[in-house]
Amino acid sequence: GENVEQHPSTLSVQEGDSAVIKCTYSDSASNYFPWYKQELGKGPQLIIDIRSNVGEKKDQRIAVTLNKTAKHFSLHITETQPEDSAVYFCAAIGDTGRRALTFGSGTRLQVQP
Amino acid sequence: KAGVTQTPRYLIKTRGQQVTLSCSPISGHRSVSWYQQTPGQGLQFLFEYFSETQRNKGNFPGRFSGRQFSNSRSEMNVSTLELGDSALYLCASSRDRGYEQYFGPGTRLTVT
Repeated sequence: GENVEQHPSTLSVQEGDSAVIKCTYSDSASNYFPWYKQELGKGPQLIIDIRSNVGEKKDQRIAVTLNKTAKHFSLHITETQPEDSAVYFCAAIGDTGRRALTFGSGTRLQVQP
Repeated sequence: KAGVTQTPRYLIKTRGQQVTLSCSPISGHRSVSWYQQTPGQGLQFLFEYFSETQRNKGNFPGRFSGRQFSNSRSEMNVSTLELGDSALYLCASSRDRGYEQYFGPGTRLTVT
């Protein structure tokens, strides 16, 4: 089945700096790659997603890039703010018939004011 | 628009007991998926329901089961609880199976 690896596991940046989180996936048939933000005591919140027919997608300070050949995708957060501090998860849908998300292990992002 | 709701939010059970968790999806969403989140295993897929039918199942024992009602609300049941079942159980709903899944706040289950 699908396997998703995520790194780094922790990331500390200064307010205003950029943050980048990277994920690799194993199933070349994967076609959907969402990113989730999870704050303490809450469920994961969908923040951005990308499909395999698109190379990059932006939404204000957040962007996701996809490299299908290398089977990796990345989350970019610019001008980080303290409220960006959370755990971020990447995910992928591998077998299109199964339609189940396989998650990475998470990145704890801390933005220092 | 109301989000995904899950009840109860917290639950404490004893080994050997059974538990039922409930999930109400976003209005108009017909697909409901369940995930288990633990510090050791991360987020793992349990099962997905669409139009009252289980469409997919993750790698969990038969003690874990679920169902979906005609109004798309879903329940999951865990029988003969074990200590290792302590986890955050998350429900997610989507309009298009698998894509754009929106999660509820979860039910924190503690087994003692």
